[in-house]
Amino acid sequence: AQTVTQSQPEMSVQEAETVTLSCTYDTSESNYYLFWYKQPPSRQMILVIRQEAYKQQNATENRFSVNFQKAAKSFSLKISDSQLGDTAMYFCAFTAGGATNKLIFGTGTLLAVQP
Amino acid sequence: GAVVSQHPSWVICKSGTSVKIECRSLDFQATTMFWYRQFPKQSLMLMATSNEGSKATYEQGVEKDKFLINHASLTLSTLTVTSAHPEDSSFYICSARSTSGAEGETQYFGPGTRLLVL
Repeated sequence: AQTVTQSQPEMSVQEAETVTLSCTYDTSESNYYLFWYKQPPSRQMILVIRQEAYKQQNATENRFSVNFQKAAKSFSLKISDSQLGDTAMYFCAFTAGGATNKLIFGTGTLLAVQP
Repeated sequence: GAVVSQHPSWVICKSGTSVKIECRSLDFQATTMFWYRQFPKQSLMLMATSNEGSKATYEQGVEKDKFLINHASLTLSTLTVTSAHPEDSSFYICSARSTSGAEGETQYFGPGTRLLVL
């Protein structure tokens, strides 16, 4: 069975600093997709970043980047120059794709950006 | 791009009534849509997967007769909570998966619907 683990229930960071959120997963699939979603207080799920497992290059989206370690099954999210608007619950998610394309979510990390 | 809407955003109903929630992909076609339920301070729980023109696939433990799902077109899926009871009160979220392209494995989420059953 595929699982996603986020071991940090809560984290705090000062505005303008950098923070890294951890995520590990378990799968026997060779090709899959990993995601970070953000859920602010409005509860709208927002795609932050996506990584295809077959791509060795780490994905980046402006201030957000990932450290994808396929052998270690690790997929951490780095947020640079943290902003107050980054305060949210962050979910790591996995899918093997295909017909069902189910997303397997981690339990989430609540990030608080302090002024 | 990749915008998903949900309607209504919140609803209050009496016990025993039925409530319909709509999920629309506004700027792309979605062969597959998903319905989730989220309890406070918890992760998303997948309820069912719906494919356009076919019956939904429900997750174990989800009552298909209580949560009716219809995916009539490539841009619209509906979830009907039948004979709602207070324990059905929750936050319901839909997502849609694009039909093709590099983003084909990505789910885009609607803003959610808060349901309160009195």
